[in-house]
Amino acid sequence: AQSVTQLDSQVPVFEEAPVELRCNYSSSVSVYLFWYVQYPNQGLQLLLKYLSGSTLVESINGFEAEFNKSQTSFHLRKPSVHISDTAEYFCAVLGAGNMLTFGGGTRLMVKP
Amino acid sequence: NAGVTQTPKFRILKIGQSMTLQCTQDMNHNYMYWYRQDPGMGLKLIYYSVGAGITDKGEVPNGYNVSRSTTEDFPLRLELAAPSQTSVYFCASSYWTGATDTEAFFGQGTRLTVV
Repeated sequence: AQSVTQLDSQVPVFEEAPVELRCNYSSSVSVYLFWYVQYPNQGLQLLLKYLSGSTLVESINGFEAEFNKSQTSFHLRKPSVHISDTAEYFCAVLGAGNMLTFGGGTRLMVKP
Repeated sequence: NAGVTQTPKFRILKIGQSMTLQCTQDMNHNYMYWYRQDPGMGLKLIYYSVGAGITDKGEVPNGYNVSRSTTEDFPLRLELAAPSQTSVYFCASSYWTGATDTEAFFGQGTRLTVV
């Protein structure tokens, strides 16, 4: 069985500051990990994913996440956030039947 | 491509009423899913399908039913609405290319209130 824990339900941060959103997982099968972003009143959009290969994966808008097998973590980072990054972020792990198991979400609030 | 389309976007039901949430995808994906999203709880899987004619229960299936007669459509049925079913419902579809690539695509959601 898979599970995902997002350690922070809310993260307030000032614009242009760095941010880290934490995610820990457990999985009894091969590990495929995802970060999804949800803007207000919208569906979820894929931000980045780890399937294999390099443990550091990047998105097109400056986010990155590192797969750490020994710590069972997949934390999301950005060196300098923008107001437009305000959203809810979900970490997820893939299981049997190609099903995603999601964490509880982290609300990133970027303040001017 | 429209991607994953859900209707309606909003609905208010009275206790005991029934309704069907529609979901269709135009990406020819085999896998389809229904999730519900409650504040602070992330997304919980209700039902899923690995192909036309095949469905199975997820984590929270009670009070719901699904069918998958075509690759494109995956409707979710609520037979006797209860206040506990007040939630935002998301339909998703995904592909799988043998461990080399996979991604799930989500609809815009249906906000359901049961009063």
